[in-house]
Amino acid sequence: AQSVTQPDIHITVSEGASLELRCNYSYGATPYLFWYVQSPGQGLQLLLKYFSGDTLVQGIKGFEAEFKRSQSSFNLRKPSVHWSDAAEYFCAVGAVEYGNKLVFGAGTILRVKS
Amino acid sequence: GAVVSQHPSWVICKSGTSVKIECRSLDFQATTMFWYRQFPKQSLMLMATSNEGSKATYEQGVEKDKFLINHASLTLSTLTVTSAHPEDSSFYICSAMVARNIQYFGAGTRLSVL
Repeated sequence: AQSVTQPDIHITVSEGASLELRCNYSYGATPYLFWYVQSPGQGLQLLLKYFSGDTLVQGIKGFEAEFKRSQSSFNLRKPSVHWSDAAEYFCAVGAVEYGNKLVFGAGTILRVKS
Repeated sequence: GAVVSQHPSWVICKSGTSVKIECRSLDFQATTMFWYRQFPKQSLMLMATSNEGSKATYEQGVEKDKFLINHASLTLSTLTVTSAHPEDSSFYICSAMVARNIQYFGAGTRLSVL
């Protein structure tokens, strides 16, 4: 069965520090991967996506993610966190073979301390 | 990016009544939309896939008679929660799929059933 694991429920970083949010997946097909961000009471905003090609993808707001097939991972990174980055982050996996349905991880809540 | 409008953003209703939630793609056409449910502090769970001009496909365990989905046009899908009960209280989020299987999300609807 398809699954997405985000092992960190909460992460707290200092403003200006670097950030890495982990995402591992288990999928029976060639996946495409997404990171979304959700502010409280809001919908999801797409940060970045990976379909194929260059395994390091750039997204909005200074985020990037690296797809590592051998580790089944798609970790999200940002070199310098801003207070406005505090939100919940979701990793999601989909595949054409599964009707383009997305399977979401449980989410990681990012807190930024000044 | 593509804009998805979801309305209403918050609704309170009495037990036994029905509630309709609208999901519109504002600047693109979407043959496929998705409906998700999100419980507090949890991830998104796919409820159903809505395809324009055909019946929705429901995920296992989702009552199709309780959660009626209509996708009558390329820009509008509706979710009707029929005979709502307190256990139906939740955050409902829709998404619309664009090219390359990317889903853009609405801002969500918080349903409170008294």
